[in-house]
Amino acid sequence: ELKVEQNPLFLSMQEGKNYTIYCNYSTTSDRLYWYRQDPGKSLESLFVLLSNGAVKQEGRLMASLDTKARLSTLHITAAVHDLSATYFCAAADSGSARQLTFGSGTQLTVLP
Amino acid sequence: DTGVSQNPRHKITKRGQNVTFRCDPISEHNRLYWYRQTLGQGPEFLTYFQNEAQLEKSRLLSDRFSAERPKGSFSTLEIQRTEQGDSAMYLCATGTGGWETQYFGPGTRLLVL
Repeated sequence: ELKVEQNPLFLSMQEGKNYTIYCNYSTTSDRLYWYRQDPGKSLESLFVLLSNGAVKQEGRLMASLDTKARLSTLHITAAVHDLSATYFCAAADSGSARQLTFGSGTQLTVLP
Repeated sequence: DTGVSQNPRHKITKRGQNVTFRCDPISEHNRLYWYRQTLGQGPEFLTYFQNEAQLEKSRLLSDRFSAERPKGSFSTLEIQRTEQGDSAMYLCATGTGGWETQYFGPGTRLLVL
């Protein structure tokens, strides 16, 4: 059974600071997705990582995938208030359905 | 807006009643997924359709839950004899045949009193 663990679950940071969210997964899924969710809203796709060493960047967010360590990271550079949200990583099942197994999410609050 | 729509957006019902939700996918997407999300948790997979065929069901999907996707277009999720534990956000997601991302709809928030 595929399991996904994120840490930290809660993150409060000052504007302008850097931080990293970690996502570990339990089996050889090797397809990793990052989503953002604002309160009361649905999920917005951020990144899709499909191979070992994959790195994707969009604005102040950068995601990477290490399939050997079964680890993905979401790095935040020079945080701004607009990044406050809950961030989820999800691993895709390797079967034909390819359903996503999500972590519990990291609730990020960027303080002025 | 991802192009996936869900109706209704909110539903309040009494325990024991039946409810039905609808998802309209992005038109060219043949894969359709239902997930359930409770407060403070990530979404959990419920069921998957490829075109009109329901190919995968989670053990979370009890006998009170049924889903359909007639003609491979919109999908419905019905919950019979609702229980308070069914209160959650029900999310629909769609995709094509590859490993690219799943696009989520806005969700239907269900409250069972």
